Amino acid sequence: DGGITQSPKYLFRKEGQNVTLSCEQNLNHDAMYWYRQDPGQGLRLIYYSQIVNDFQKGDIAEGYSVSREKKESFPLTVTSAQKNPTAFYLCASSIGVDRVGGGELFFGEGSRLTVL
Amino acid sequence: QKEVEQNSGPLSVPEGAIASLNCTYSDRGSQSFFWYRQYSGKSPELIMFIYSNGDKEDGRFTAQLNKASQYVSLLIRDSQPSDSATYLCADGNTGGFKTIFGAGTRLFVKA
Repeated sequence: DGGITQSPKYLFRKEGQNVTLSCEQNLNHDAMYWYRQDPGQGLRLIYYSQIVNDFQKGDIAEGYSVSREKKESFPLTVTSAQKNPTAFYLCASSIGVDRVGGGELFFGEGSRLTVL
Repeated sequence: QKEVEQNSGPLSVPEGAIASLNCTYSDRGSQSFFWYRQYSGKSPELIMFIYSNGDKEDGRFTAQLNKASQYVSLLIRDSQPSDSATYLCADGNTGGFKTIFGAGTRLFVKA
């Protein structure tokens, strides 16, 4: 079955530590995204990538980093510079064609990060 | 900065009733809108997509778009307790890149 796999589902981190969240997709989608969701709030875009070896900052990129070395993979590192990292992190992908209807997002199951 | 506004709810309806969820958007040039359903603790899943003025029906779901009023709605007929979730409205004008989400409306269907 095609889909998006995120790992780990739950992660605990001590302050000052960097952590990396994994995201792998086998949908053959060109575009991939990382969103953050806080309780009672919508999704906020952290980073997105339209093609391999290229990525763009979203609205809340400070304290985060990404890489896109393979089409299938888009890992997110939450660095110690992120002041309030406790949140639900969602990876998504889309076909990536800029046309009406091309914006459907397919989501992974999410990774819940808690800073102790 | 594009914005999508939704009433956070909760919206409570009895089983079998019609649930009406609404959102407004700020970008007059936006063309494509998505409704995602998110169960508590889970990831969003697409339930409807609309880009033309008027109504689009899929089973118990009807999406409505009024570009003149910059208004999108989702109607759920014969609501079921399993419909209880948060519904996210999204402005997906740019082909997925920088999709703008509303904060979501929590729906509670009482058995």
